[in-house]
Amino acid sequence: DAKTTQPNSMESNEEEPVHLPCNHSTISGTDYIHWYRQLPSQGPEYVIHGLTSNVNNRMASLAIAEDRKSSTLILHRATLRDAAVYYCILRGGGSNYKLTFGKGTLLTVNP
Amino acid sequence: EPEVTQTPSHQVTQMGQEVILRCVPISNHLYFYWYRQILGQKVEFLVSFYNNEISEKSEIFDDQFSVERPDGSNFTLKIRSTKLEDSAMYFCASSLENPRENTEAFFGQGTRLTVV
Repeated sequence: DAKTTQPNSMESNEEEPVHLPCNHSTISGTDYIHWYRQLPSQGPEYVIHGLTSNVNNRMASLAIAEDRKSSTLILHRATLRDAAVYYCILRGGGSNYKLTFGKGTLLTVNP
Repeated sequence: EPEVTQTPSHQVTQMGQEVILRCVPISNHLYFYWYRQILGQKVEFLVSFYNNEISEKSEIFDDQFSVERPDGSNFTLKIRSTKLEDSAMYFCASSLENPRENTEAFFGQGTRLTVV
């Protein structure tokens, strides 16, 4: 599985935007970029995914670099409920059914 | 909103005993998964299941583990003879479409297994 690199932790203030970076310099042409998050004492939760173009949904936006070697998850207005570990995961096609979680970024949101 | 349901939320068992962890995936989903997370560590893939058979499994998923979909709604993970190192949070997940199509997976809240 291609590797991703994320900062161990980040801090934000409530109601401010948060940009969570992810480097994936060995990404292959067929790898999708997925983001999941895990709130304290809960199971992982899907956030967003994309291939080449930037993506928006009700939870977040995903900005993908033109060379696809990095991406940024954007939370437009952080709330206390957004405090979680955020995982950037590459998922290819073929017979790959699994999600490979790394250590992720622990996001702290200050009131 | 539909959700994946896991029972029990916490299970304590003696070393060497068999345990069955139960999951009810989202009703129209076709692909089912088990993951585990040892305290303070990463979420690890165990197994995926489709069309009544295992489609992929990890090295962790050895002969002590088995999965079953005994009826149209439940999906179970059995550990035959538990070891202390099996203590972890176990997450069930399901997805509607083929994960090769890169659709999202929905996770349950987990079962905390404690082996004593």
